[in-house]
Amino acid sequence: GNSVTQMEGPVTLSEEAFLTINCTYTATGYPSLFWYVQYPGEGLQLLLKATKADDKGSNKGFEATYRKETTSFHLEKGSVQVSDSAVYFCALRTGNQFYFGTGTSLTVIP
Amino acid sequence: GAVVSQHPSRVICKSGTSVKIECRSLDFQATTMFWYRQFPKQSLMLMATSNEGSKATYEQGVEKDKFLINHASLTLSTLTVTSAHPEDSSFYICSARPPGHTEAFFGQGTRLTVV
Repeated sequence: GNSVTQMEGPVTLSEEAFLTINCTYTATGYPSLFWYVQYPGEGLQLLLKATKADDKGSNKGFEATYRKETTSFHLEKGSVQVSDSAVYFCALRTGNQFYFGTGTSLTVIP
Repeated sequence: GAVVSQHPSRVICKSGTSVKIECRSLDFQATTMFWYRQFPKQSLMLMATSNEGSKATYEQGVEKDKFLINHASLTLSTLTVTSAHPEDSSFYICSARPPGHTEAFFGQGTRLTVV
């Protein structure tokens, strides 16, 4: 079956620290992979995506590389800011169906 | 990017009443929309897939008579929580994937509180 396993939080970092949130997946076929971000009381917003192996998605300083050999899509950012505090969801899509990880809460302190 | 708009953002209702939540695709036509429920500090739980012009497909364990879904047009899907009870209090989110897009776009969510 299809599933996403995501690093459990919460994660607390100081401003300008390096961020990694691990994500691995199980899927049939060739899924597209996503990271979504959710701010308090809001819906999800697409952060970045990758549609095939070795693709790197990037946005707002965040990056993730589609690694087929390790079935992973880890999220990284070199220097986090207070405004990055949110919940991050890793997701995959096969066909018309999306599968989400459990979400990782990130708090960045000044 | 595409816009999915959800209304209302917050609603408080009395136990036993019904509440309707709207999900609109503002700049694209959506033959399929998805309804999720999110509990505090948890992931999204897919409740049902809304199909324009036909019946919704409900996930296992979701009561179709309690969570009525109507997708009467290509830009509007509604979720009606019937005879709401406090345990139905939750954050409900809809999403849709525009034609030609890989990603889904999400509504802002609706915080339902049943008192």
